[in-house]
Amino acid sequence: AQSVTQLDSHVSVSEGTPVLLRCNYSSSYSPSLFWYVQHPNKGLQLLLKYTSAATLVKGINGFEAEFKKSETSFHLTKPSAHMSDAAEYFCVVSDGVTGGGNKLTFGTGTQLKVEL
Amino acid sequence: DADVTQTPRNRITKTGKRIMLECSQTKGHDRMYWYRQDPGLGLQLIYYSFDVKDINKGEISDGYSVSRQAQAKFSLSLESAIPNQTALYFCATSDPGSQQYFGPGTRLTVT
Repeated sequence: AQSVTQLDSHVSVSEGTPVLLRCNYSSSYSPSLFWYVQHPNKGLQLLLKYTSAATLVKGINGFEAEFKKSETSFHLTKPSAHMSDAAEYFCVVSDGVTGGGNKLTFGTGTQLKVEL
Repeated sequence: DADVTQTPRNRITKTGKRIMLECSQTKGHDRMYWYRQDPGLGLQLIYYSFDVKDINKGEISDGYSVSRQAQAKFSLSLESAIPNQTALYFCATSDPGSQQYFGPGTRLTVT
């Protein structure tokens, strides 16, 4: 079984300040982990993914996430927020087990607000 | 052109009506998925298909059915819509072991 917990349903930052969106996961196998972003009235776009290679993963638009097995965490960060980062962010886990294929389990989402 | 398209993008229907949501993809992927999104709940898997002859129930399949007409097409049906099926519905596609690519979503309202 696998699960994902996003620790904050809403995060508010000022433009130019760092962003931290927190995610903890549970998985019976070596997981693949993803962060997706959803802008208003848009579909989901992949920001970055971890698939057992480097533990620090760099994604698009300046985002990165670090896989910490000991803490079962995969927090998303960005050094400096931009107004265009305002969106909902989903942490997602896949156990990648054959038969389970790559079924995804989504967190409940974190709404990021960026203020001037 | 978008790789994953969904029609319609918005739909309002009445309780008891049958409705079909359609998904098409041009990525050549074998695997296709239907999810629903409710506020505060993230996305939940309704059905998935690993190839044209393979259909599997997801977490919340009750009240829904699907049809995989071709590799590129995967339709979701609500045989008798009810108000708690009001949600945002997403189709996605993937290759085995790779990321999923999502369509733009269909906003369905059942009155």
